[in-house]
Amino acid sequence: EDKVVQSPLSLVVHEGDTVTLNCSYEVTNFRSLLWYKQEKKAPTFLFMLTSSGIEKKSGRLSSILDKKELFSILNITATQTGDSAVYLCAASRGGGATNKLIFGTGTLLAVQP
Amino acid sequence: NAGVTQTPKFRVLKTGQSMTLLCAQDMNHEYMYWYRQDPGMGLRLIHYSVGEGTTAKGEVPDGYNVSRLKKQNFLLGLESAAPSQTSVYFCASSFSSGSATDTQYFGPGTRLTVL
Repeated sequence: EDKVVQSPLSLVVHEGDTVTLNCSYEVTNFRSLLWYKQEKKAPTFLFMLTSSGIEKKSGRLSSILDKKELFSILNITATQTGDSAVYLCAASRGGGATNKLIFGTGTLLAVQP
Repeated sequence: NAGVTQTPKFRVLKTGQSMTLLCAQDMNHEYMYWYRQDPGMGLRLIHYSVGEGTTAKGEVPDGYNVSRLKKQNFLLGLESAAPSQTSVYFCASSFSSGSATDTQYFGPGTRLTVL
């Protein structure tokens, strides 16, 4: 059965800290790994990773994929209170008419001032 | 450019009532999806559509029906609501699929409570 597991389930840090969020996956016909940030409403897209070892970076956020060990990490440096959210990881499974996203349950990050 | 919009934002139903959730996207995306999000379960795919006039079942389709009469709209119907369908429903769309570059963009969600 396909599954995506995120850890930790929740995390409380102080502003300025660096955090690492983990995502492991077991998905047949894996195509890509996506990270989303979910505040109160819609998940918003952060990164899509398709190749191992190539870091993607956007400001203070970065992510990398390891297709051999089947995991990805999301790093946030110099955290701010605005980074508080649920971070979702999803693995794209190919085959059939469309790729399907298999989501993890998310990591709840709380950044305290 | 509004992206993906959903109506209504909130709804309370009694068991056995029916309703339709509307999703609209203005990005000319071919693919559209309906998910439900429950605590501790993550987002789960209910139904999806790969183009106007086509629909297919996802991971948890029972109790739901969908229609895609126009490319920009994707409707999710509950014919006889049950308390187990209390959830937050998200619609998403993507430009294409079948390739690695199929980022899905999400609407703001509909919070549905079935009493």
